[in-house]
Amino acid sequence: QITLKESGPTLVKPTQTLTLTCTFSEFSLSTSGVGVGWIRQPPGKALEWLALIYWDDDKRYSPSLKRRLTITKDTFKDQVVLIMTNMDPVDTATYYCARTEAYSSSLLWDYWGQGILVTVSS
Amino acid sequence: QTVVTQEPSLTVSPGGTVTLTCASSTGAVTSGYYPNWFQQKPGQAPRALIYSTSNKHSWTPARFSGSLLGGKAALTLSGVQPEDEAEYYCLLYYGGAQPFWVFGGGTKLTVL
Repeated sequence: QITLKESGPTLVKPTQTLTLTCTFSEFSLSTSGVGVGWIRQPPGKALEWLALIYWDDDKRYSPSLKRRLTITKDTFKDQVVLIMTNMDPVDTATYYCARTEAYSSSLLWDYWGQGILVTVSS
Repeated sequence: QTVVTQEPSLTVSPGGTVTLTCASSTGAVTSGYYPNWFQQKPGQAPRALIYSTSNKHSWTPARFSGSLLGGKAALTLSGVQPEDEAEYYCLLYYGGAQPFWVFGGGTKLTVL
């Protein structure tokens, strides 16, 4: 079955750059319409959509965080990487990756990773 | 800044019916916003329920349905079960030159 798993540091210092990796299985980012995105959730707060990369390397970013985010993919490794610069304590959150697909007249999000809690503290 | 608004909390009795809504600060929500709905229980990752307004995933229980209602996206639970107590989030798509997605603030559904 389709799985996704987030990995990376669980503690970063303010002003540092965060690099998270999403490793997935049982689907390919070379398949037309398929994408992988990142979402985060501060403790006790709502979900926040961050970024998305599609099979054709098309990229989408949250307007409010666009300047700090970079998303890339490695199709051969079945991985998607999110880079967030200039980390601040308010960026403390559980970061999730999820699969998305665009087909026919639908846009859907279906499978999610378990999430990784990233704490920003000196 | 684009804001997606949901009811902060709702309460429903077991076996009852409840409708959660999802509004956009940009105006009426249409099918072109491709509303997706998710359920999240404490300590768990979100689970997808509905996509593109009203389509169910293979694992979505039949008692969940999605629609457009009065300019909003809506998620209706019919015959609510105790295990439906959870936080529910909608996700809307904003097209244009640089498309993006926005989550609603979530609705805490209590089954009492």
